[in-house]
Amino acid sequence: SQELEQSPQSLIVQEGKNLTINCTSSKTLYGLYWYKQKYGEGLIFLMMLQKGGEEKSHEKITAKLDEKKQQSSLHITASQPSHAGIYLCGADINYGGSQGNLIFGKGTKLSVKP
Amino acid sequence: NAGVMQNPRHLVRRRGQEARLRCSPMKGHSHVYWYRQLPEEGLKFMVYLQKENIIDESGMPKERFSAEFPKEGPSILRIQQVVRGDSAAYFCASSGGGEQYFGPGTRLTVT
Repeated sequence: SQELEQSPQSLIVQEGKNLTINCTSSKTLYGLYWYKQKYGEGLIFLMMLQKGGEEKSHEKITAKLDEKKQQSSLHITASQPSHAGIYLCGADINYGGSQGNLIFGKGTKLSVKP
Repeated sequence: NAGVMQNPRHLVRRRGQEARLRCSPMKGHSHVYWYRQLPEEGLKFMVYLQKENIIDESGMPKERFSAEFPKEGPSILRIQQVVRGDSAAYFCASSGGGEQYFGPGTRLTVT
């Protein structure tokens, strides 16, 4: 069974609109990573969250980890065509963290229409 | 400030040949991870190495796959006697103990 569920699987938004991508785990998360992947390319690190209730922002992207540490959301404000790509959440579900073997969701494909 | 380097970026092998994928971690990083991304599937962990040690190989297929991270030089993921099902993108990530940074990947095609 998939331990990390991402929703939606795909998303098409008009440029300038806000959007949210969710990542839900069936287990406690000890480290939650957000990456962006362009088709056929590598993963670009966006943010890492570890503490329940933690929130981080970079430019127009904000990520949160809920208090119970089983769900994270990625919010993009005023989307631009450059935000298009596949967003992946990855998680360390090992107590104590830093075990290395992250599990990943299947990704959310974001398209931004000019 | 070079990131994680992988080569080759694209590799074509015939069934039965060997594939060698290389990964040079970011400067200062001593932890290397290999992941595989199959078409239409998510990224799956394969192996975690530190210099000269395999820390966790729970995601490695039992046969034909091996990995090493020698004291000097890049980490190598080796696939012997490749089959069509090995066609995938193989990503390497490195860390200094915290965030994992990914390389551009090697796309292996088995014909």
